[in-house]
Amino acid sequence: RKEVEQDPGPFNVPEGATVAFNCTYSNSASQSFFWYRQDCRKEPKLLMSVYSSGNEDGRFTAQLNRASQYISLLIRDSKLSDSATYLCVVNDVDMGYALNFGKGTSLLVTP
Amino acid sequence: GAVVSQHPSWVICKSGTSVKIECRSLDFQATTMFWYRQFPKQSLMLMATSNEGSKATYEQGVEKDKFLINHASLTLSTLTVTSAHPEDSSFYICSARDENYGYTFGSGTRLTVV
Repeated sequence: RKEVEQDPGPFNVPEGATVAFNCTYSNSASQSFFWYRQDCRKEPKLLMSVYSSGNEDGRFTAQLNRASQYISLLIRDSKLSDSATYLCVVNDVDMGYALNFGKGTSLLVTP
Repeated sequence: GAVVSQHPSWVICKSGTSVKIECRSLDFQATTMFWYRQFPKQSLMLMATSNEGSKATYEQGVEKDKFLINHASLTLSTLTVTSAHPEDSSFYICSARDENYGYTFGSGTRLTVV
């Protein structure tokens, strides 16, 4: 299985800070890219899909660089409720439609 | 939106016993169900892909005789951990893919084998 690599963190940031997460994937044939959020002992929840043109959803901005096989997530104006683990996820052709998850990056936003 | 109901949420069992985990798609038909497990501080690892009416496809290193998957209907897939051992203790989670709703996850089952 091809790898999805993330910095595990933890990232400890104060409220209002901007924080960036990076991810690299090894399979150049990967087709779809996502950021998921996982709270402790819970199922992952889709945060946003990631497109080559970049996309933004409120305080969250995701970027994809296919040439570098690199994905990023930027969170602006961090809230306490953003504390969670952020999972970089890729859909590989050789896994059918199954998702390939990174280990996740832990974020703790403090008052 | 699509909902996948997974039961039980947590279970404690004795070594050597079997545990069945159910995932039901409540408002859509799940032709394909994915089964993952997640050990502490690790990523979700795909165990197997089950397709309704056919045999599941297992990932390398996952014993098909130990982790029995049944997907007999478009709304129900089950994973049975047979002869469970403490090293099987993990967070097991299912996910269905639907053309309209994308990927929907069950809420997960935390299995502890003592």
